[in-house]
Amino acid sequence: SDVLTQPPSVSVAPGQTARITCGGNNIGGTVVHWYQQKPGQAPVLVVYDNSDRPSGIPERFSGSKSGNTATLTVRRVEAGDEADYYCQVWDSRLNWVFGGGTKLIVL
Amino acid sequence: EVQLVESGGGLVQPGGSLRLSCAASGFTFSTYWMHWVRQVPGKGLVWVSRINNDGSSTKYADSVKGRFTIARDNAKNTLSLQMNSLTTEDTAVYYCARAGLSTHAFDMWGQGTMVTVSS
Repeated sequence: SDVLTQPPSVSVAPGQTARITCGGNNIGGTVVHWYQQKPGQAPVLVVYDNSDRPSGIPERFSGSKSGNTATLTVRRVEAGDEADYYCQVWDSRLNWVFGGGTKLIVL
Repeated sequence: EVQLVESGGGLVQPGGSLRLSCAASGFTFSTYWMHWVRQVPGKGLVWVSRINNDGSSTKYADSVKGRFTIARDNAKNTLSLQMNSLTTEDTAVYYCARAGLSTHAFDMWGQGTMVTVSS
């Protein structure tokens, strides 16, 4: 996505902390949501409104935002966390926009 | 069980039409705004369209505007996407998604239905 920029991949060893960033000029003025998508499955909301977690999502998943960059942090990474992660915002010009996605690789 | 189930995908020739459906269950469908999101296999998520809770307001991505029509039947708990003048660029998995009541986030997704546009 031209509006939201994510790194193509992030690699982390099990038990460590993964940080996935999402940058964009409009992020400072809106809220950011994060989705996890495992191969062959539909996306799942893991963080909404910058830092809130839906029920059922482990506390290991957290979100934050500073300036024009949002970050999804996954602590004590497990093999089962390996997936694609997408950030999303609502933009008044482009409507609902997703980042290009980041593949979390658990080494 | 709270779920969204899409149907209607398949193979269609360029220039053809297809109608996707999304059956909702386990929640008060008429309360929620609904969306369609698509994903080319191996690529990222792309928002397609949305409809408000009573069907009076719709929005579309520029790439489908004038060709796709989103609609809903709250009596039947069903969301639909009528796709006309299809091109190979429309080939993707199409997901219906529910927007949360107090957030723009998509808090529930269907399993997706594959649309292939090819001659």
